[in-house]
Amino acid sequence: AIQMTQSPSSLSASVGDRVTITCRASQGIGDDLGWYQQKPEKAPKLLIYAASSLQSGVPSRFSGSGSGTDFTLTISSLQPEDFATYYCLQDYSYPITFGQGTRLEI
Amino acid sequence: QVQLQESGPGLVKPSQTLSLTCTVSGGSIRSGDYYWSWIRQGSGKGLEWIGYIHHSGSTYYNPSLQSRLIISADASKNEISLKLSSVTAADTAVYYCARYPLGELSPPFDYWGQGTLVTVSS
Repeated sequence: AIQMTQSPSSLSASVGDRVTITCRASQGIGDDLGWYQQKPEKAPKLLIYAASSLQSGVPSRFSGSGSGTDFTLTISSLQPEDFATYYCLQDYSYPITFGQGTRLEI
Repeated sequence: QVQLQESGPGLVKPSQTLSLTCTVSGGSIRSGDYYWSWIRQGSGKGLEWIGYIHHSGSTYYNPSLQSRLIISADASKNEISLKLSSVTAADTAVYYCARYPLGELSPPFDYWGQGTLVTVSS
């Protein structure tokens, strides 16, 4: 199985900050990478797919980049509602696997 | 707007079979080209893909669960089901169903249910 490793595991930031979260795949996955946001007691919400495509309805302050093994999620200017846990996902090969999560807190 | 709703027992005894249903509304599981998926999340833990099914019956399972797992679909009820046998405390988790569109550059797991907590305990 392809292992997805996120860094950092947790991150403290303030409203207005620019934040970057990284995800590394244990082998090349092309651009088959998605990013999800999860708030407590809620289902994950898709933000980015195909490494850099913004899901419909997601604010443009979220962006993704990368290909192969190294990927980043950037939030250009943190808003209060962005404090959550973020997960990456690869669907390049089975089994589909998620990163361990990055908790973004104030 | 597609909606997914998980249902099933919240408590299962060890060694028994966990059974859940996901009811899809706002669209037929036969329309479009989607896999209908199960994903779980242990308490305070990350997300684990369990497997998925196409309305044609084609399935893909996580090898770590494959020997204990059956995912099925009932198009007449617009439902997908999960059965996980011989459960242990390690299977305690919130179980989600989610839609996975097929096709190049399709957004994976674009719609999710709210999730249902299943606790394995005697």
